[in-house]
Amino acid sequence: ILNVEQSPQSLHVQEGDSTNFTCSFPSSNFYALHWYRWETAKSPEALFVMTLNGDEKKKGRISATLNTKEGYSYLYIKGSQPEDSATYLCALPGGATNKLIFGTGTLLAVQP
Amino acid sequence: NAGVTQTPKFQVLKTGQSMTLQCAQDMNHEYMSWYRQDPGMGLRLIHYSVGAGITDQGEVPNGYNVSRSTTEDFPLRLLSAAPSQTSVYFCASSSRGVSGNTIYFGEGSWLTVV
Repeated sequence: ILNVEQSPQSLHVQEGDSTNFTCSFPSSNFYALHWYRWETAKSPEALFVMTLNGDEKKKGRISATLNTKEGYSYLYIKGSQPEDSATYLCALPGGATNKLIFGTGTLLAVQP
Repeated sequence: NAGVTQTPKFQVLKTGQSMTLQCAQDMNHEYMSWYRQDPGMGLRLIHYSVGAGITDQGEVPNGYNVSRSTTEDFPLRLLSAAPSQTSVYFCASSSRGVSGNTIYFGEGSWLTVV
């Protein structure tokens, strides 16, 4: 089973702070990496799907980078807002399969 | 825009009862899957399907059955519910698989087994 690690487990920041968190994965047999935003009692919402080393994607104040050679992806949030409070999940296919394996997530709390 | 629809949203079962969680998508997606979410464990894959008539096991398949008789529907059956199956269940779909395609999730089904 593919080991997907996310850090930190949780993060508390003030409104307006910029923040980032990490998804780490084995660098061999990379196919794709997914980032999701998940609010309690709602369905996970897709943020990015990244497939190429060096990929950088952006959606509003949220951006992500990918380094497949060293096995990590960063998710950045610029100028955090209370509505950014959620769990951020990353996931990768387990090899050449259609088993999408999730990390345990980073819980972000943004204080007004 | 219906997307991925799960029913029921909430269910309480007694140990030993069976039930089916329904999942339907209206996007003509080939790939569908079921996850369970438990505190501190993230989302764990139960079963998945890459098309009608094809299913495969995920990380935690024991105690669950699935079938895929149509492209639209992917029901999850609990054969004999156990308290360890108390969880939130999510159905998800994508156009062709998980490598480079966005996965769309349903809103979840909260199941309690007493």
